[in-house]
Amino acid sequence: AQSVAQPEDQVNVAEGNPLTVKCTYSVSGNPYLFWYVQYPNRGLQFLLKYITGDNLVKGSYGFEAEFNKSQTSFHLKKPSALVSDSALYFCAAGNNRKLIWGLGTSLAVNP
Amino acid sequence: NAGVTQTPKFRVLKTGQSMTLLCAQDMNHEYMYWYRQDPGMGLRLIHYSVGEGTTAKGEVPDGYNVSRLKKQNFLLGLESAAPSQTSVYFCASSYSRTGRNTGELFFGEGSRLTVL
Repeated sequence: AQSVAQPEDQVNVAEGNPLTVKCTYSVSGNPYLFWYVQYPNRGLQFLLKYITGDNLVKGSYGFEAEFNKSQTSFHLKKPSALVSDSALYFCAAGNNRKLIWGLGTSLAVNP
Repeated sequence: NAGVTQTPKFRVLKTGQSMTLLCAQDMNHEYMYWYRQDPGMGLRLIHYSVGEGTTAKGEVPDGYNVSRLKKQNFLLGLESAAPSQTSVYFCASSYSRTGRNTGELFFGEGSRLTVL
């Protein structure tokens, strides 16, 4: 079965430190890969995506993600975390017709 | 430019009652989706539509019906609400035939439904 795994339910990081939110996928073909962010009581917002090309993708709010084909991973990163980055992050793989979603990782950035 | 708008934002139902959630998008998107979000279960696709007049089942369609009579609107109906349908419902849209396509979904702000 196709799946997207976010192995950490919660990630805690101190403000100013680098952060990583992990995502691995088992989806056939060459899926598009996405990261979305959800702030409390809000809808999901697109952060960034990988389709093809450079393995390091830059997105909104200073986030970036590194695609690794051999490890089928697409980890979300930010060099210096902000308290305002605290939110729920979702990884997804697929395309317009079918997206497989991870269960989400709650990021807490401590001042 | 409102994006994706969902109504109502909150609703409380009694078991057995019916209701309809409305989703409207103003981006001329072809694809529209209804998801439910429950703690610990992430996002689960209920139904989706790839164009006006078409609908298809997602992974958890039972107990729900949908209609896409107009391109900009996607309705989600609960014919006989059950407590298991207590959830936060999200509508999303994507893909324009003529606009810039980057593959991502655009989400509404959610509709919180409680079934007693």
